[in-house]
Amino acid sequence: SYELTQPPSVSVSPGQAAAITCSGEILSKQYGFWYRQRPGQAPVLLIYKDNVRPSGIPERFSGSSSGTTVTLTISEVQAEDEADYYCQSGDNKGLFVLFGGGTKLTVL
Amino acid sequence: EVQLVESGGGVVQPGGSLRLSCEVSGFTFTSYWMSWVRRAPGKGLEWVANINNDGSEEYYVDSVKGRFSISRDNAKSSVYLQMNSLRAEDTAVYYCARGVLEVHYWGQGTLVNVSS
Repeated sequence: SYELTQPPSVSVSPGQAAAITCSGEILSKQYGFWYRQRPGQAPVLLIYKDNVRPSGIPERFSGSSSGTTVTLTISEVQAEDEADYYCQSGDNKGLFVLFGGGTKLTVL
Repeated sequence: EVQLVESGGGVVQPGGSLRLSCEVSGFTFTSYWMSWVRRAPGKGLEWVANINNDGSEEYYVDSVKGRFSISRDNAKSSVYLQMNSLRAEDTAVYYCARGVLEVHYWGQGTLVNVSS
């Protein structure tokens, strides 16, 4: 079965860049999506179709894809970026959906 | 304004049942697949189930197959999750979501606590 693998945690100082990776075989065939979830809140879509940013999401959030890995990059990290980040992919016919295990971003 | 409002969560004993509801507004309901996603305490997001536009197709994560059932009422712009034979590991906040991948809109979540 397919899986998506993320690092459990990433730490970064304010103003620096953070990169969160997500790896899985399915990503060589299907798009990756990225969500942020803050405590007590619903997830928010940050990136769709590997590298497209929805309206209202700051430009410092970007996505990229290479082979079986997608990467979320946050440039100039701010304190408010501290949250859990999840990648997502799945069968584009709706048969199944995968989430990565999540990455806790800590702003030092 | 797009809104998704869940209801129906609560405390239930192991083996019991609950029915979650999600009423939506602000968009053409019949144009979208709908999903349920959960987050258990201390764990990550997990897709639970989805249903197509007219309700003729349903898909489930293996851990809930045969116990949970997703449905929709397009006349009421609502999607439901019938949960039977509940287990402690089903304890989570359940989110209603518009779409399957590329989910732009989510409900606020409803807590299901399976405990004796």
